[in-house]
Amino acid sequence: NAGVTQTPKFRVLKTGQSMTLLCAQDMNHEYMYWYRQDPGMGLRLIHYSVGEGTTAKGEVPDGYNVSRLKKQNFLLGLESAAPSQTSVYFCASGTSGVKNIQYFGAGTRLSVL
Amino acid sequence: GNSVTQMEGPVTLSEEAFLTINCTYTATGYPSLFWYVQYPGEGLQLLLKATKADDKGSNKGFEATYRKETTSFHLEKGSVQVSDSAVYFCALSSLGGSARQLTFGSGTQLTVLP
Repeated sequence: NAGVTQTPKFRVLKTGQSMTLLCAQDMNHEYMYWYRQDPGMGLRLIHYSVGEGTTAKGEVPDGYNVSRLKKQNFLLGLESAAPSQTSVYFCASGTSGVKNIQYFGAGTRLSVL
Repeated sequence: GNSVTQMEGPVTLSEEAFLTINCTYTATGYPSLFWYVQYPGEGLQLLLKATKADDKGSNKGFEATYRKETTSFHLEKGSVQVSDSAVYFCALSSLGGSARQLTFGSGTQLTVLP
């Protein structure tokens, strides 16, 4: 029962460096999401995808890019990391429909120095 | 736009105490409502949900009732345990863009002492 798997779990970057976070789900879900979690602010949606080959912007998309080349994978990229992107990043997947239950990965803790 | 307001924490209770975490929302249409729980070092897990007015969601002794007239979805548990220590998030689901999206509250940290 893997569910939603995120890699890596921890990462430290220097300002200006780039990196890619990988999310993989084995539940055959159409929808996938990337969130960031900051103290006192809950989770905020960065980007999402409603199917293979599609992506869309969420609430806080600036500074991030995403790709969904395969249904089971959703990649989040930071082209030039900034200290403001220090956060915990969560990936989620879910089905379409009104109930929209989302299943979350364990998170990636990113620090940008 | 949509928003969710949660009772600020942290909340500290003794084991077997009664728990209430308040949640109110602002949304257009008829959103579905959720409580998610995040245990230390883990991702969020769905705790319970309600999809229409007057529905009661329940799981693991927790309950919440969808109150449209007061736009609320308060979480309650009659007798908390140490293992309930976690962060609790209230959320609503609504149609945004091309997909249903979740809007989260800021989270309430609960600590239960033995």
